[in-house]
Amino acid sequence: SQTIHQWPATLVQPVGSPLSLECTVEGTSNPNLYWYRQAAGRGLQLLFYSVGIGQISSEVPQNLSASRPQDRQFILSSKKLLLSDSGFYLCAWRSLDMEAREQYFGPGTRLTVT
Amino acid sequence: GQNIDQPTEMTATEGAIVQINCTYQTSGFNGLFWYQQHAGEAPTFLSYNVLDGLEEKGRFSSFLSRSKGYSYLLLKELQMKDSASYLCAVKDSNYQLIWGAGTKLIIKP
Repeated sequence: SQTIHQWPATLVQPVGSPLSLECTVEGTSNPNLYWYRQAAGRGLQLLFYSVGIGQISSEVPQNLSASRPQDRQFILSSKKLLLSDSGFYLCAWRSLDMEAREQYFGPGTRLTVT
Repeated sequence: GQNIDQPTEMTATEGAIVQINCTYQTSGFNGLFWYQQHAGEAPTFLSYNVLDGLEEKGRFSSFLSRSKGYSYLLLKELQMKDSASYLCAVKDSNYQLIWGAGTKLIIKP
């Protein structure tokens, strides 16, 4: 069965510090991978998605970046965090199987920028 | 622009039935999803509709009318564990998911 991991679970960082969040998927090959952010009481905002190694599409221009160094690894980074970067960060995957429709989410990282 | 509308909050009684509505205006339509999200946790998939009509899955059912840009999630025999937020999402013409802000459902004994 497929499993998706995210770490860390919670993070408190000062403004201006760097960020690195990691997501890995087990039990599937060549998945589509996604990074979302969810502000308190809001819907999910798609930040980045990837259809393969080294292929990143950015949905929202901001001070975040993403990389996919391996097939099942997706990393979200920032060089300098802003207060507005606080939120619940979710990684998700979807199979490329023609029958696959839904996305599956990791447990999330709650980031507080102080 | 693209828009998904859901009520912000609903309250229902344990054992009762509740209907959560979702209306959408998107550039294209390639399916509608409902997810459940308990507080502090990740969303989990509930249902998918791409054709008009009702899809039933146990205590949960989801309905879609593409001509009206409308869907609802029906929860029967409510249990306390159903207290959660319910997210509606539409896959647009670019096959990206557009998400609603979610409906917080409060179940009272």
